[in-house]
Amino acid sequence: DAKTTQPNSMESNEEEPVHLPCNHSTISGTDYIHWYRQLPSQGPEYVIHGLTSNVNNRMASLAIAEDRKSSTLILHRATLRDAAVYYCILTTGNQFYFGTGTSLTVIP
Amino acid sequence: DAEITQSPRHKIIETGRQVTLACHQTWNHNNMFWYRQDLGHGLRLIHYSYGVHDTNKGEVSDGYSVSRSNTEDLPLTLESAASSQTSVYFCASKEGRGTYNEQFFGPGTRLTVL
Repeated sequence: DAKTTQPNSMESNEEEPVHLPCNHSTISGTDYIHWYRQLPSQGPEYVIHGLTSNVNNRMASLAIAEDRKSSTLILHRATLRDAAVYYCILTTGNQFYFGTGTSLTVIP
Repeated sequence: DAEITQSPRHKIIETGRQVTLACHQTWNHNNMFWYRQDLGHGLRLIHYSYGVHDTNKGEVSDGYSVSRSNTEDLPLTLESAASSQTSVYFCASKEGRGTYNEQFFGPGTRLTVL
C-alpha cells in the first residue's frame, strides 16, 4: 500500500505562510493526493486534493512535485484556527490510508 | 444541510459486553466507512460499505462487524468488547468510488472498555 511520510510537528507564526511537506515515494499513477486536517476533538475535514497539477482553493494551495513523489500543502496566512493535525493521504481505490500527520502549532 | 452524525458520543462498557455504535448520514452517499483513531496510529480503517447489503473488511476488522440495511446508516458492532478496543471511532461517507471524492467525517465516538 502506498504510504506517506510527514514531519511530526511544525510551528508557524500567525499571519505568516506555512508549508507542510509530505513524501510519497511509492505513489502510483492513479493515486490522488488528499489533505485533511483534524481540529482538536473533531473529525477530520477535507482541505484539498490533486493528481498532477498544482491546485488552489479557498483554504489552501497544493503544490505537487513533477515526479509526484512529494507534495506541499501551503496555508497562505496561518491563523490560530489553523492549529490542527494535517494529514497527507494517498487514495488507493476507494480507501484512504492515513498516516500520523503533522501537528501544526500557530504562535500568536 | 446534509450531515453525518454519530451516537453515542461517549460510551463506557465492561469487557465482554456487546456494543453498537451508530452512524447516520443524510448526504445520500453510497460509500460509508468506519475508522478507529489511537495515539501514534492516525486513523485506521475497520470496515466499509459501497452500498446497501455490501460490507468489506478494512485494515483492522477483527472483533468488529457492520451491516448495511439502508443507504443512511452503517452501525458498527463490537460483539465482545476488549480493552484493546478502547479508542475514538469515526464514521465517514463519500459520494462516489472515485479516488478523487472527498470523505465527510462524523464527530466521533469515544469508547472506553474497562
